[in-house]
Amino acid sequence: EDQVTQSPEALRLQEGESSSLNCSYTVSGLRGLFWYRQDPGKGPEFLFTLYSAGEEKEKERLKATLTKKESFLHITAPKPEDSATYLCAVPPDSSNTGKLIFGQGTTLQVKP
Amino acid sequence: DTGVSQDPRHKITKRGQNVTFRCDPISEHNRLYWYRQTLGQGPEFLTYFQNEAQLEKSRLLSDRFSAERPKGSFSTLEIQRTEQGDSAMYLCASSLEAEKLFFGSGTQLSVL
Repeated sequence: EDQVTQSPEALRLQEGESSSLNCSYTVSGLRGLFWYRQDPGKGPEFLFTLYSAGEEKEKERLKATLTKKESFLHITAPKPEDSATYLCAVPPDSSNTGKLIFGQGTTLQVKP
Repeated sequence: DTGVSQDPRHKITKRGQNVTFRCDPISEHNRLYWYRQTLGQGPEFLTYFQNEAQLEKSRLLSDRFSAERPKGSFSTLEIQRTEQGDSAMYLCASSLEAEKLFFGSGTQLSVL
């Protein structure tokens, strides 16, 4: 069964304290891994797409990396405005409609 | 590009009532998706439209749920005979490219 698992469920950091979020997946034929950011009361906002092992994407303090079975979202010197829930998602093997299977998310809180 | 718009933002209803939500996608996007999200979980796929055709429905979508996209523009999601388990955030997303989804802010449904 296609599955996406994220860890940890919650993460509290001090401002400037770097860390990483993990996303592991079980789809056999990966057609992309997607990272989204979700603020409370809002819909997810697209961050990155990664397609192949070894690929990296960066945006401000965020860097996403991909291996054959997992992806990491590295947060360097985070600021309070980085506080949000970070979701990763993959297309399932069984569908080519563009739908995504999401993990449960990691809720990040950055304290000043 | 005004983004994906959803209406209403919040809906409180009594068990057994029918509710309808509306989604206006980004105008040039031909793909439209409905997702459901409960607290602490990632979004869960409900259904997919390409233009006006509904091409995929989740097995989780009971007969009480129906979605339409007349003329391939806006979409509606109706829930008949609501149950307390239907309480969730209902998210609409649209896209041009498969899997790169743009989400609205959602409709938060509370069934009392």
